[in-house]
Amino acid sequence: KNEVEQSPQNLTAQEGEFITINCSYSVGISALHWLQQHPGGGIVSLFMLSSGKKKHGRLIATINIQEKHSSLHITASHPRDSAVYICASPTQGGSEKLVFGKGTKLTVNP
Amino acid sequence: DGGITQSPKYLFRKEGQNVTLSCEQNLNHDAMYWYRQDPGQGLRLIYYSQIVNDFQKGDIAEGYSVSREKKESFPLTVTSAQKNPTAFYLCASSIPTTGGEAGELFFGEGSRLTVL
Repeated sequence: KNEVEQSPQNLTAQEGEFITINCSYSVGISALHWLQQHPGGGIVSLFMLSSGKKKHGRLIATINIQEKHSSLHITASHPRDSAVYICASPTQGGSEKLVFGKGTKLTVNP
Repeated sequence: DGGITQSPKYLFRKEGQNVTLSCEQNLNHDAMYWYRQDPGQGLRLIYYSQIVNDFQKGDIAEGYSVSREKKESFPLTVTSAQKNPTAFYLCASSIPTTGGEAGELFFGEGSRLTVL
């Protein structure tokens, strides 16, 4: 069964800093999800990627399928980026079911 | 606008009562999911459905029941058999990828259930 590990669990940064959140998984899969959970609880999908790199605004997600590792980067961080960031991947290749990391709580101070 | 609507946002239940959480989507997605979130833990899958009139148990289905009579609706009932129901419940939908895996996920705002 796939195991998903995130690091760090908690991250505090000053506004403007470059942020990196890491995610590793144990089973070969074809796609990985990055999600953002706001303080109120709602979750939005940031990225779904299967290779290389994707960029959306100040957010960049990378994945290395061979090393079973993905990173989420935030450039020029802002207090509004404060949230919990969650990665998720299929329990096994071809599965509809996802296994989720425990999340990284990011706090960006002004 | 398209999206997923969960209700109620907050719900209080006495021990021994069944409660039903509503989840409605107008995204025309085939796949729908119910997740439970507890502090310090990742989301855990309760039930999922890939098509109308069909659903599958997830990792923690005991004490829960679902139905999928319409494509748009996937209600979750928390029964009195669920021993520790206090949690945050999230409904999601997606279009499966060609490989059969979950596509981009769309979540509702969640329902927070507290047992008194």
